Amino acid sequence: DQQVKQNSPSLSVQEGRISILNCDYTNSMFDYFLWYKKYPAEGPTFLISISSIKDKNEDGRFTVFLNKSAKHLSLHIVPSQPGDSAVYFCAALSGGYQKVTFGTGTKLQVIP
Amino acid sequence: EAGVAQSPRYKIIEKRQSVAFWCNPISGHATLYWYQQILGQGPKLLIQFQNNGVVDDSQLPKDRFSAERLKGVDSTLKIQPAKLEDSAVYLCASSPITSAHEQYFGPGTRLTVT
Repeated sequence: DQQVKQNSPSLSVQEGRISILNCDYTNSMFDYFLWYKKYPAEGPTFLISISSIKDKNEDGRFTVFLNKSAKHLSLHIVPSQPGDSAVYFCAALSGGYQKVTFGTGTKLQVIP
Repeated sequence: EAGVAQSPRYKIIEKRQSVAFWCNPISGHATLYWYQQILGQGPKLLIQFQNNGVVDDSQLPKDRFSAERLKGVDSTLKIQPAKLEDSAVYLCASSPITSAHEQYFGPGTRLTVT
């Protein structure tokens, strides 16, 4: 049962444009949502998070939007840069011990 | 501040052999995680330690996988015997006890079972 889904395996965007990465979830008990970025041969690195009681969180070029009624979140990167090319994982936390469930990832390519 | 260390970085073994991975978390991080990432999928949590106690091992195949975290610091993950489907990257992560959303990952160990 895939509780966190990223339906787009890949995305290509021109440098300077907006990148929008999407994520859907099924478990309404998730209380925190995260985005991680992963370069080849490296572990994922934490990018940005949002609490389930908020609908938006912004950090520089990165903004995460949460739509709880639709069980959907998105990551916006504006403007996109070639260094943003990586695999992006959506993840969600639940439970007293804050178990993390990851999505399958979206490979973003920013074209110079 | 030193990051999460893992070794080895790569390992190739034959099926039915055993293998062990080592992880040294960030100093002071009470929570340690082992994930399995199969090609094309997201990381899947195998086991989560808080200090030296296990808080979640629901997805650990206990007939062949084992993990320990002695003294609440370093951890080892063992597979015995390995199967072809165990080929994956094994990621270790750690976090402060109050900030599970701020997990710091090591570079991973890529295991190939032939």
